[in-house]
Formats: sequence, C-alpha cells, structure tokens
Amino acid sequence: NAGVTQTPKFQVLKTGQSMTLQCAQDMNHEYMSWYRQDPGMGLRLIHYSVGAGITDQGEVPNGYNVSRSTTEDFPLRLLSAAPSQTSVYFCASSRSLASTDTQYFGPGTRLTVL
Amino acid sequence: LAKTTQPISMDSYEGQEVNITCSHNNIATNDYITWYQQFPSQGPRFIIQGYKTKVTNEVASLFIPADRKSSTLSLPRVSLSDTAVYYCLVGGGFQKLVFGTGTRLLVSP
Repeated sequence: NAGVTQTPKFQVLKTGQSMTLQCAQDMNHEYMSWYRQDPGMGLRLIHYSVGAGITDQGEVPNGYNVSRSTTEDFPLRLLSAAPSQTSVYFCASSRSLASTDTQYFGPGTRLTVL
Repeated sequence: LAKTTQPISMDSYEGQEVNITCSHNNIATNDYITWYQQFPSQGPRFIIQGYKTKVTNEVASLFIPADRKSSTLSLPRVSLSDTAVYYCLVGGGFQKLVFGTGTRLLVSP
C-alpha cells in the first residue's frame, strides 16, 4: 500500500505557465482533496471530491481546476501560474466525509512561481 | 464552522510531558475533535480523535471536558522526534476541517 502519492516533489514555473500536480491513492477512498500551505500558516482547502465525477470548491479555489475521472486519481491544474500560487500543495484522501474518518496526506509538492 | 484557538508555540525538554490545549467555544453537537501532527516537509498525520472525556492511544492522550469547549492533547515523555506542528481540528467533512496555524512544539535535549 503506497497510500497517497504526489508528483512532482518540486516544481519551478514561470508566471503564466500551466501545469498539473498529480495525486493518486490506492486505498479505494471516495474522498480526496487538495490543500495549500504557505510559510508559517495552516492548510487551506482548495478543492475536494466526494467521488469519481464529483468535485467542489474549497476555501481558496481561484486559479485552480480539478477533475476526478477515477477513484484513484485527483489531479490539480494551474491554468496560468502566478507568484501568489507559490506554496506547498498537499493532497489528502479519506474513506468518507464522516468526522470519524482519518485523512491521509501525501508528501506534498513544493511549487515556486517566478 | 467551529474555530479553534491554540498556542502558537511551546518549548519542552526530552522526557517531559507536554500538554497542548485547544479552545473551540462554538463546537457543534456532532463535531469530533481531531489532532494532527506535521513534521517539516511532510504532510499532516493523524494522531488522535475524540468526542468526550478521555481517549488514549499508543502516541497520546486526549482530554475533553464535559462542556467540550476545549480539549487537551497530552504527549507523555516527549523526545526530540516529537518536534513538530500540532493541529487541532473540530468538525467533520472536508468542508469543515479547518487547519489553523497549529502549535509549533520544540523539544530540546
């Protein structure tokens, strides 16, 4: 069981470039989400998905797109990168939305936008 | 959304017990209290969860008073490897899981 995996680990982009952050889980979890973490701050929810084909916005969705075509994968797309999107991005999954279900986090992707 | 308040940072020494208190005055009836631990350059990791009274596992204990307006994470006999950021979360569902800035615990020799 690999758990939650994320690629790449590090990425540098120029302003205006686009890219996709990959996230995959092998635990057959229905629920997946993306967070960003800025220096000295907690995690902020970007987008989440309650199952294949179903996504919704979190606290800070602007500038990001997501899709969920399979249970395993939940990619995050930056359409036109901006310096304000420099951050560490974490993907998480859990079995359900129930408050008793644990979220499992990936190792993160450190993104720098120049 | 139940907002939480935790100390920004705490210092301790190896072998001591550390208690981190979280305030959540407007916790809802159905809300659980969950603590996560985050090491540098890693994603958060679940430590413990509770609804009321006391919960204990191999890592920590969680004390929740009857009014549930606060909770205390207790780490017995900390070691250097317990240096991390600890987050208190209240609620359920991705929409309601709000990570504050957490408590940065530094354990010294």
